[in-house]
Amino acid sequence: DSGVTQTPKHLITATGQRVTLRCSPRSGDLSVYWYQQSLDQGLQFLIQYYNGEERAKGNILERFSAQQFPDLHSELNLSSLELGDSALYFCASSVATGVGPGDAQYFGAGTRLSVL
Amino acid sequence: DQQVKQNSPSLSVQEGRISILNCDYTNSMFDYFLWYKKYPAEGPTFLISISSIKDKNEDGRFTVFLNKSAKHLSLHIVPSQPGDSAVYFCAARPAYSGAGSYQLTFGKGTKLSVIP
Repeated sequence: DSGVTQTPKHLITATGQRVTLRCSPRSGDLSVYWYQQSLDQGLQFLIQYYNGEERAKGNILERFSAQQFPDLHSELNLSSLELGDSALYFCASSVATGVGPGDAQYFGAGTRLSVL
Repeated sequence: DQQVKQNSPSLSVQEGRISILNCDYTNSMFDYFLWYKKYPAEGPTFLISISSIKDKNEDGRFTVFLNKSAKHLSLHIVPSQPGDSAVYFCAARPAYSGAGSYQLTFGKGTKLSVIP
């Protein structure tokens, strides 16, 4: 158990809909990262938050947004969903911004999103 | 453009023998490398890492070798055990740029099967 909790585990929805994925980081971790893993693809970095502030953006679509709350949990909002958004979405956390070599990212079990 | 490449989608090894998983990268700004292991229905689990100032890091049965001039790293597992059967992801991140961003770039993974 990595200590990172993601809910829900599975989500089935229709095109055009909006969903929210939730992530609770490990106790004490200030950074939260979101990744997308599509079929046969590696993990694609979407966005990072550190202590409530956006820290880095990757390949995140404009239809997607995220935030980190004062209690450090994070939510990833996906709107106007398309079939191609079907994927595994992982959240990871790390102690700080990732400054030191030891600041590895620890992953949750993921949310499997199916857009029908 | 894939900056981190794992050219072998799968690898089968006999129990007790050595498993060697390879990873190549193209971005010369990467200076820290990590290996993650992923079982089905679970998130990636941090396994071992190496800084670019080293060429080898060992942790029990796992050793990572880094050849900076060739932009190549490898993970050795000795001896291989059936419980090592999983997908292994290579990941890399750039040197600290002051922006506080440590996004990881992942390869597509190699599925290791250890045969009893």
